[in-house]
Amino acid sequence: GIQVEQSPPDLILQEGANSTLRCNFSDSVNNLQWFHQNPWGQLINLFYIPSGTKQNGRLSATTVATERYSLLYISSSQTTDSGVYFCAVGGSSNTGKLIFGQGTTLQVKP
Amino acid sequence: NAGVTQTPKFQVLKTGQSMTLQCAQDMNHEYMSWYRQDPGMGLRLIHYSVGAGITDQGEVPNGYNVSRSTTEDFPLRLLSAAPSQTSVYFCASRSPSGGRGFYNEQFFGPGTRLTVL
Repeated sequence: GIQVEQSPPDLILQEGANSTLRCNFSDSVNNLQWFHQNPWGQLINLFYIPSGTKQNGRLSATTVATERYSLLYISSSQTTDSGVYFCAVGGSSNTGKLIFGQGTTLQVKP
Repeated sequence: NAGVTQTPKFQVLKTGQSMTLQCAQDMNHEYMSWYRQDPGMGLRLIHYSVGAGITDQGEVPNGYNVSRSTTEDFPLRLLSAAPSQTSVYFCASRSPSGGRGFYNEQFFGPGTRLTVL
């Protein structure tokens, strides 16, 4: 099956700093989502981005499907950005099955 | 819309007990799934359904049963709970097209934290 690798596994930032999270996947996908899991365990949808670039406020994401990677950019980080960021991909079966990476744990210090 | 709802939020079981985790969605999504999340890990797929009356196994199906009698509901049954099933369980749903203006985006419920003693 598809393998999903995220890097870095852990990241510590000072408030106001920028960061880039990476997601590599081993096969072609037809959906890719980024999630933020907040300290209460809730999974927040950030982006659905199987290809191309999207922006939402201080966050943006880019997926280069032909090279099998996606990037999540966080600019001007805030303490509320802390938590775990997951990349999840779906394969060609298009049945809604998502394969999750191990996540990047982000801590933003004031 | 309430989105994806799950009950209960927390549950403690003794080894060998059975229970059902409830999941419901009001978005008329055909696809629904159950995942489990263990400490320090991403989510792993237990079972999924592509529509009423159709279910299939995911990565880690052993010890769990599902059925899908309606579009809205997708309960997960633990037949004989084991300590290895201590985890956080997430239900998710997805529309094949349209639905809230998104295509193929999956939405997750708030989770059920299960402890098996």
